[in-house]
Amino acid sequence: AQSVAQPEDQVNVAEGNPLTVKCTYSVSGNPYLFWYVQYPNRGLQFLLKYITGDNLVKGSYGFEAEFNKSQTSFHLKKPSALVSDSALYFCAVRDANQAGTALIFGKGTTLSVSS
Amino acid sequence: DAGVIQSPRHEVTEMGQEVTLRCKPISGHDYLFWYRQTMMRGLELLIYFNNNVPIDDSGMPEDRFSAKMPNASFSTLKIQPSEPRDSAVYFCASSLSRGGLRQPQHFGDGTRLSIL
Repeated sequence: AQSVAQPEDQVNVAEGNPLTVKCTYSVSGNPYLFWYVQYPNRGLQFLLKYITGDNLVKGSYGFEAEFNKSQTSFHLKKPSALVSDSALYFCAVRDANQAGTALIFGKGTTLSVSS
Repeated sequence: DAGVIQSPRHEVTEMGQEVTLRCKPISGHDYLFWYRQTMMRGLELLIYFNNNVPIDDSGMPEDRFSAKMPNASFSTLKIQPSEPRDSAVYFCASSLSRGGLRQPQHFGDGTRLSIL
């Protein structure tokens, strides 16, 4: 069975500091991994994905994520946080070996960036 | 390119009434998903379609919920009769199947439903 965990409900960082939002996953086959961001009163917006290849994936708005197969993790990172990055972040996983399956989303992590 | 369009954006109605939520996916996308988001339960997948055919409706909470996709450009989620515990934000999302499971889903801005 597929699952994804976001162990932190909230992450607080100061503007200009690096940020990390954690995600771990469980799939029986190879994972397809995604990060989404949700701003208030909006739908989820796609940030980046890992399918195969380079473990460091770069996405929108200066975000990047590192795939670590041994630790089954896919943490979202940004070198320098902005106040405008404050939002709800979702990690999602799909098993590449199971056709027709939908994405499994984590419960979300609220990122709060203070000025 | 227009994104996923949902209507209405807000719906307030009384318990027992029928509610119909509408979704227009991105043109050319052949997967369509309906989600529900609440503070308590987070983001829940209700049902999804591929080429207008329902693939998995195991997330539909009760028989009061039904979803249809009569053509590639339109889907509805209906609740009849509605109950206060159905209050939530309902999202529609679409994606391409070309490339397999690698494509991201694109979300609409949701319908905020309040059942009084």
